[in-house]
Amino acid sequence: RKEVEQDPGPFNVPEGATVAFNCTYSNSASQSFFWYRQDCRKEPKLLMSVYSSGNEDGRFTAQLNRASQYISLLIRDSKLSDSATYLCVVTPRGSSNTGKLIFGQGTTLQVKP
Amino acid sequence: DVKVTQSSRYLVKRTGEKVFLECVQDMDHENMFWYRQDPGLGLRLIYFSYDVKMKEKGDIPEGYSVSREKKERFSLILESASTNQTSMYLCASNRSRRGILDQPQHFGDGTRLSIL
Repeated sequence: RKEVEQDPGPFNVPEGATVAFNCTYSNSASQSFFWYRQDCRKEPKLLMSVYSSGNEDGRFTAQLNRASQYISLLIRDSKLSDSATYLCVVTPRGSSNTGKLIFGQGTTLQVKP
Repeated sequence: DVKVTQSSRYLVKRTGEKVFLECVQDMDHENMFWYRQDPGLGLRLIYFSYDVKMKEKGDIPEGYSVSREKKERFSLILESASTNQTSMYLCASNRSRRGILDQPQHFGDGTRLSIL
């Protein structure tokens, strides 16, 4: 089983829609979770960290469900500029203090006019 | 702002050449990473380093080596380039863990390497 699993999509939504992505992880000991955004042919960029209590940044809300081992990303009022691939990132199994993280393969979002 | 700089955006080399990809970060980060990214395969970790002169193999180290002589610089070396090493190469860095929390990684712009 992969350490991080995401539905690759693509998710095709109209502008203004609300869209949610889930990501499941296998390491129950994971403590750190992030969402990254990657535009076509560009590098991944940190979108937001995911905290146990959930967190919100403008139109973006991230939630953590430890019991079911998944994290989610909700995007409200989608904009054309939200079109990108969203990568789920967690602490790997057996992690030591080397900074290593595990990246999911990403979920592609296409927002249409 | 964290700055991770990769030496080339685009590079074309020939089969059998020795290829050097350079990465420099300016935030005094302890950890540095080299990934490659191919369509449908996501990010795959090649090598990483958690300290000067320290290196560890990632998931796909075959055909690659690395060098970390200074804290700010991490070099990826293709010993004898082959066509299956044509890919997008991404360098990243981060600080070591704070308490129990890992720190996010920050990426360079990437190098598109083509091996002919």
